[in-house]
Amino acid sequence: QSVLTQPPSVSGAPGQRVTISCTGSSSNIGFGYDVHWYQLLPGTAPKLLIYGNTKRPSGVPDRFSGSKSGTSASLAISGLQAEDEADFYCQSYDRGLSGLVFGGGTKLTVL
Amino acid sequence: QLQLQESGPGLVKPSETLSLTCAVSGDSIRSSTYYWGWLRQPPGKGLEWIGSLYYSGSTYYNPSLKSRVTISVDTSRNQFSLNLSSVTAADTATYYCATSTGISYGWFDPWGQGTLVTVSS
Repeated sequence: QSVLTQPPSVSGAPGQRVTISCTGSSSNIGFGYDVHWYQLLPGTAPKLLIYGNTKRPSGVPDRFSGSKSGTSASLAISGLQAEDEADFYCQSYDRGLSGLVFGGGTKLTVL
Repeated sequence: QLQLQESGPGLVKPSETLSLTCAVSGDSIRSSTYYWGWLRQPPGKGLEWIGSLYYSGSTYYNPSLKSRVTISVDTSRNQFSLNLSSVTAADTATYYCATSTGISYGWFDPWGQGTLVTVSS
């Protein structure tokens, strides 16, 4: 079991908006540690999508947005495109485990 | 532009030590800006942080792997390395090196392409 909980899969049609949740606890997200999001495509280096809960690195389209509230965070993808189909992971820090932790990953399917 | 590239054996026997190297280009591994990290993803499973190293030599390890992990730096070659001892089939994974800006508040960017390591006799 991952310390951070994500839905195994989400799907949406091109142009639609989907959200991916990342649920933690009072020892990680709820304590105030930041949440970061990554996109993994087969055969390519993982890509940072969102850092510091809401910030987008240069080059990441504004279709991708992040939010955080309480013990949870979310990644929203609007205007879905076929090339968005990938696995997405959230990451934070856990003070109880004294280490960096990831969600179990969410597979996005563009219908 | 910072770039990282993993290298090492693709096959390791059970009970032996897995050794990987991450070559850094685009900046000095002595830079105080970065933490140098290793992560992995077993087939069909999620990402796992293995550990990170700061240029000063300070190391931070995943408690679940700490007894078997050593991360070290070779400043002369501008690279850092991972050693994971007493491997089993559960250590079969794609291993990534990546940089982060910190430990408790840091994120990983950029990442290497990853290298698949299989543990099998």
